[in-house]
Amino acid sequence: TQLLEQSPQFLSIQEGENLTVYCNSSSVFSSLQWYRQEPGEGPVLLVTVVTGGEVKKLKRLTFQFGDARKDSSLHITAAQPGDTGLYLCAGARGGGSNYKLTFGKGTLLTVNP
Amino acid sequence: SQTIHQWPATLVQPVGSPLSLECTVEGTSNPNLYWYRQAAGRGLQLLFYSVGIGQISSEVPQNLSASRPQDRQFILSSKKLLLSDSGFYLCAWNGVVHSPLHFGNGTRLTVT
Repeated sequence: TQLLEQSPQFLSIQEGENLTVYCNSSSVFSSLQWYRQEPGEGPVLLVTVVTGGEVKKLKRLTFQFGDARKDSSLHITAAQPGDTGLYLCAGARGGGSNYKLTFGKGTLLTVNP
Repeated sequence: SQTIHQWPATLVQPVGSPLSLECTVEGTSNPNLYWYRQAAGRGLQLLFYSVGIGQISSEVPQNLSASRPQDRQFILSSKKLLLSDSGFYLCAWNGVVHSPLHFGNGTRLTVT
């Protein structure tokens, strides 16, 4: 059973379109991280959300953490080809030696010019 | 500034051969170090993590092992590779357990 479900798995859109990707779970997380990964490279952190209901904006990217801290969304406005990549969410639970960071399978986004 | 290096970038190895992947971190001391594997179409699977020299925790039973001979050096090894060991191996570090991860650029391993 996948602890973090990301949807959609694949998304291909035209430049200028808006999109939303989702990260859902039945578990509560203390925080949730979003990463972007380009082919042949390691993931790079975009944002961390900590508080239920929190909204963070990073230029054209808007991240939201669900009120119950079980889910999150990433909305991209006016997508550009440079936004192409694998978007991964990762949920953090526990503390000390019990700390666990679980990754979703990712959403592979392709923005066509 | 801190940097993380992984090598080699790509590797093709026959089944049954040994493996050694190296990761080093610069610009910080006593980092937490991690080895992840990313199979095609899947997320990241944590293989090993280390909070200090000689301290290794394994998350998934397998024919891989990890070692941390120096504070900022993390090595992933295998005595005999299996076909199922193919994948994209990522090393990562953070300064505090709860903080986000900084990843290297990975090693693409193909076992033939």
